[in-house]
Amino acid sequence: NAGVMQNPRHLVRRRGQEARLRCSPMKGHSHVYWYRQLPEEGLKFMVYLQKENIIDESGMPKERFSAEFPKEGPSILRIQQVVRGDSAAYFCASSPMRGSSYNSPLHFGNGTRLTVT
Amino acid sequence: AQTVTQSQPEMSVQEAETVTLSCTYDTSESDYYLFWYKQPPSRQMILVIRQEAYKQQNATENRFSVNFQKAAKSFSLKISDSQLGDAAMYFCAYRTNRDDKIIFGKGTRLHILP
Repeated sequence: NAGVMQNPRHLVRRRGQEARLRCSPMKGHSHVYWYRQLPEEGLKFMVYLQKENIIDESGMPKERFSAEFPKEGPSILRIQQVVRGDSAAYFCASSPMRGSSYNSPLHFGNGTRLTVT
Repeated sequence: AQTVTQSQPEMSVQEAETVTLSCTYDTSESDYYLFWYKQPPSRQMILVIRQEAYKQQNATENRFSVNFQKAAKSFSLKISDSQLGDAAMYFCAYRTNRDDKIIFGKGTRLHILP
């Protein structure tokens, strides 16, 4: 049973370009979370999605950032017109259906390190 | 607002010794879950141990155990017989029944001295 898969592992973008980060949840998991980790910091919640629905996006910056989790395919975190401050590690995590998930730990991917030059 | 505080940015322990990492949290909820995650240099987030708030008994997983003090809102992690592979960042985390997101502390970097 493959774990949470994120790609790419490393992504370099110049200022003003777009970054697209992909996440495939564990098999059987229908809930996806995105977290951002700045250097020497903990993980900060960004957004929580289930297929075709955004459940909680309270941690997402209002501009340039968007996330989706389509019926088919991976979840995508999209950052438009990247700036140097967007440089961070972005982690995806997944969990099973909501009703059984409260005491379930999140299963994390290995993260995508975004570097904006 | 719920917060998780780890007051020790870094700690060191001699191999084979015991170390305790501190964590406190702030919440008005009565039903919640607490976790410790380990992040080695590979960056992977690995669950170490978890505790349900309604359980009085402290969770243990082999060399890892917690001291859960609900009234004091404290959730410390004890690592016994420390090994070189335990060197990592350790994050304390919190989750409620009402809200699906997990809140993380800023982490404690643990060094193991040979």
